Amino acid sequence: GAVVSQHPSWVICKSGTSVKIECRSLDFQATTMFWYRQFPKQSLMLMATSNEGSKATYEQGVEKDKFLINHASLTLSTLTVTSAHPEDSSFYICSARDPSELLSNEQFFGPGTRLTVL
Amino acid sequence: GQQLNQSPQSMFIQEGEDVSMNCTSSSIFNTWLWYKQDPGEGPVLLIALYKAGELTSNGRLTAQFGITRKDSFLNISASIPSDVGIYFCAGFYNTDKLIFGTGTRLQVFP
Repeated sequence: GAVVSQHPSWVICKSGTSVKIECRSLDFQATTMFWYRQFPKQSLMLMATSNEGSKATYEQGVEKDKFLINHASLTLSTLTVTSAHPEDSSFYICSARDPSELLSNEQFFGPGTRLTVL
Repeated sequence: GQQLNQSPQSMFIQEGEDVSMNCTSSSIFNTWLWYKQDPGEGPVLLIALYKAGELTSNGRLTAQFGITRKDSFLNISASIPSDVGIYFCAGFYNTDKLIFGTGTRLQVFP
């Protein structure tokens, strides 16, 4: 099956710094990737849809200037949390859709990145 | 907006017992999915349901898509310790945007 990786798996940073998280589709090309955020003991919430070669589409309430998304290639999307604050501490998960899977919209999820902002 | 509510919130069962959990929505979804998330990991797809009334099995797991397309259940038979985790239902809206349910946390005791 399709494999999605994320890097790093965890990161600790100081308040005010920026952190970049990478999401890669390893064995397929993904024109669309998705970024989710999950707070402890809560569900996954979609933050934005990342489209290769175009601007990301953000969900209501997600600040696009704070969560910068770049989808520069068919196998890589990056999420940069700018000027991170403790309230940004969360589990960030990406997913990718394999366009060859025509019969379903199945998304393949990465293993997540745990961000802790001190 | 769309919401998927799962019940129960958590379950504590003994190994070998059967498990049943539900997911309901105020909106109609065309596709329902059931995922399992282990601690510190991303969710993994268990079962996908595409048609109203559809009943699908995957090993010890069985899921059904409600006739009204507003609910679904997931059953796990003869639970084992590795079934521990959080189970999420999810549905598609706006073509490929996934909305996740509130989750059911399962704990299995030997």
